[in-house]
Parts: sequence; C-alpha cells; structure tokens
Amino acid sequence: QKEVEQDPGPLSVPEGAIVSLNCTYSNSAFQYFMWYRQYSRKGPELLMYTYSSGNKEDGRFTAQVDKSSKYISLFIRDSQPSDSATYLCAMGTGAGGTSYGKLTFGQGTILTVHP
Amino acid sequence: DGGITQSPKYLFRKEGQNVTLSCEQNLNHDAMYWYRQDPGQGLRLIYYSQIVNDFQKGDIAEGYSVSREKKESFPLTVTSAQKNPTAFYLCASSPRYSGANVLTFGAGSRLTVL
Repeated sequence: QKEVEQDPGPLSVPEGAIVSLNCTYSNSAFQYFMWYRQYSRKGPELLMYTYSSGNKEDGRFTAQVDKSSKYISLFIRDSQPSDSATYLCAMGTGAGGTSYGKLTFGQGTILTVHP
Repeated sequence: DGGITQSPKYLFRKEGQNVTLSCEQNLNHDAMYWYRQDPGQGLRLIYYSQIVNDFQKGDIAEGYSVSREKKESFPLTVTSAQKNPTAFYLCASSPRYSGANVLTFGAGSRLTVL
C-alpha cells in the first residue's frame, strides 16, 4: 500500500463547477500537507499548504485536512478553463533527520474544465 | 527573476549512453532535489542535497549520480545502468531551514531513450 493515495481521475467538469480533489494517507507522522498544480510540460507550482486539521481558504481554493481520518481535499469553486492541469497532493514529516526535504507525493489527478 | 533553470528541455539518448541534466538556481536556496515523474506514479525522489559537497540518495537512486560543487548547481547524470530512464525529470530547491519544506520546481527535462 502506498503512503499517499490520490484519486487518479481524470476529471472533466463544466466551467463554473465545484471541483473536489482528494488524497488519503497512511503515515500518521505527516505534519504538513500541500497541493501543487502542474500545467502540461511544466514543473509543479505550489498552490497551498497547511499544518493543521481544518480548512484553509485562498480565493477560489480551499484546502481541507482531516488528520483523524488521514484525508485531505482541495476544493475549487467556480472552476475556470485555466484551472485545467494536473493536481498533486504532497505531504511531509517536517525538517530534521533523514526525513528532511522528502515530500511524499500522490499520483496526481488530471483536471479538465471545459467552457 | 529568481528561479530554477533546467536544461535541456528535451533530450534523446541511445541505449548505453550517459547523459547529464543541468539544474541551476538563483534563489539562494541551500537544498536542492531531483525528482522523476512517470505517468500515474507521481513524483519520486532520486537524490537531494542540503549543502554544498554533500548529497543523499532518495528512493530511486540506482543508475543515477549527482554532484554539488556549487550552491547554485545540482547536475544529474543518468547512467547506462538506469534500466528505464525515459521519464520527465524535475529539479527543485528549498530554503534549508523551513518548517514546511516548500519546493520550487524547474520546468523539467524530458529524457527519451531510443
């Protein structure tokens, strides 16, 4: 079993829809959680990160973490064609020791928002 | 503008050849990383370096080698020992003492073995 499992998609939605992207994890040592967006043939770019359980909002994006269920989500409101990309969840145990720098990534979900 | 430059963007290699992918950053970050991305598998860590002249193996280091002679540069060599080298390679960097290890990625290099 992989440490991080991400709904593989692909996901295709109409413009304006609410999108939900999800990851589950098995390692309870993960302390922080991130979402990266990757456009085709580009490197990933950080969208959001959070340490704690609960919701964190940034414009049309909301990151949700439930540590008790080991489940994280990214919600996109009023989705736009420009949101079409691959979304990667990532998790880390924090700086220090051999775990420093190692993020564990999900497999990625390909999202297409059509006009 | 600060960022990470990877070159070449596309590279073709014949079986049995070594190739070196370049990664340069001007963000003054101490730590640098190499990831490999394959369809449906997310990103897997090949090597990382927290400081000049020091680097550590990641999860899939076999068939790869790196050097870190300068803070700004972290080249990756894909050797002939790497059995399945066709992939998208991503270089990243981060400040050394960050709580959440926020990575900045380059645009990637796509390697195809003919």
